[in-house]
Amino acid sequence: DAGITQSPRHKVTETGTPVTLRCHQTENHRYMYWYRQDPGHGLRLIHYSYGVKDTDKGEVSDGYSVSRSKTEDFLLTLESATSSQTSVYFCAISEPGLAGTDTQYFGPGTRLTVL
Amino acid sequence: QKEVEQNSGPLSVPEGAIASLNCTYSDRGSQSFFWYRQYSGKSPELIMSIYSNGDKEDGRFTAQLNKASQYVSLLIRDSQPSDSATYLCAVNPNDYKLSFGAGTTVTVRA
Repeated sequence: DAGITQSPRHKVTETGTPVTLRCHQTENHRYMYWYRQDPGHGLRLIHYSYGVKDTDKGEVSDGYSVSRSKTEDFLLTLESATSSQTSVYFCAISEPGLAGTDTQYFGPGTRLTVL
Repeated sequence: QKEVEQNSGPLSVPEGAIASLNCTYSDRGSQSFFWYRQYSGKSPELIMSIYSNGDKEDGRFTAQLNKASQYVSLLIRDSQPSDSATYLCAVNPNDYKLSFGAGTTVTVRA
């Protein structure tokens, strides 16, 4: 499982409340990612990090922010949750692979419901 | 046009048959390609990666890549009920990021 944990695993919240999801890894991987998965859309990248305090946006970053103050933790924050952010959120890390590219491995996921 | 397209399925195959899954991608500069398996309610699990044109075999799985046609496929031989899952195709259009297809759901009937 590449040493990735996510918390919480399930959360129900109300529209307009702030929510923070945590991804924790134990193997000192440089790259970390947040995805959301919705029916018919597959996995879509929200934000990613390439080092402590180094982050960048993915294709669906609106309404989300991230922080990485330590190598092992990558936090995803919904400043004011909306019903459209109801989804399953996966954290991933990447490990060096062949051909100069990295292979991504996923955490167990967080199921978020915004009422 | 989506970056990565897969047949949405569902694909139903009898036990012992070959399941064939297809994936096309739009970025001609893509260099690495992955297949993930995802059981219902679980996270994606890497089953194959391929970087060069041709076939790559791992057990009952064979990945096929044709960069000229921008096409990658996955064959599952001797399909088992435990192969029933959604299979995600992922393509690396640039370093450190992946683009995923929406997935193909496979059901193996006993």
